[in-house]
Amino acid sequence: DIVLTQSPDSLAVSLGERATINCKSSQSVLYSSNNKNYLAWYQQKPGQPPKVLIYWASTRESGVPDRFSGSGSGADFTLTISSLQAEDVAVYYCQQYYSSLPTFGQGTKVEVK
Amino acid sequence: QVHLVQSGAEVKRPGASVKVSCKTSGYTFSFYGVHWVRQSPGQGLEWVGWINTGNGNTGYSRKFQDRVTITRDTSARIVYMELSSLRSEDTAIYYCARDLGKFGEFNWFDPWGQGTLVTVSS
Repeated sequence: DIVLTQSPDSLAVSLGERATINCKSSQSVLYSSNNKNYLAWYQQKPGQPPKVLIYWASTRESGVPDRFSGSGSGADFTLTISSLQAEDVAVYYCQQYYSSLPTFGQGTKVEVK
Repeated sequence: QVHLVQSGAEVKRPGASVKVSCKTSGYTFSFYGVHWVRQSPGQGLEWVGWINTGNGNTGYSRKFQDRVTITRDTSARIVYMELSSLRSEDTAIYYCARDLGKFGEFNWFDPWGQGTLVTVSS
């Protein structure tokens, strides 16, 4: 199975500051035939199901604020919140859909400092 | 609008089975697969398995493959997940989620059902 390791496990950021979450895969999730990275990012707030923010590693879902951005390729990826807002407090997960056995990272909890 | 609505909370004894349903609406049912993901209390997301709603093919996590069965009722647009030989560690919220890939291709999951809490306790 492809293992996704997120770092850090949690971080506290001041409102208006940048938050950066990393996701490292145990193998590349870049499909060479279409040059797409099969990686998504989700946001989960307490008591709610996850919601997709980013797919293909860097494509923002419709309606997601542009302060959220995804980058990276191959086996190393980053989710950046450029200016943290109070409503961004949540747990964030990366997920690979490269394999027929999808897997998630362990999650990163983002709080306000 | 696409919706996935799950059945209500369940309480089961160890050793029993549970069957959770996921009723879909707002899209062509057979075009998109449906996954099941669970979340133990205070823990992360764990993929359980999926079904290709077009042809009924399934795929399961190695962790659950001996105990889980995912089926679908095409006419009713419902996907079911049955987990047998329940133990206390199976206490979790179980989510269904639509795969955005068509005709069996894997993509990201959107939307998700509201979740079903399954509690296993003697």
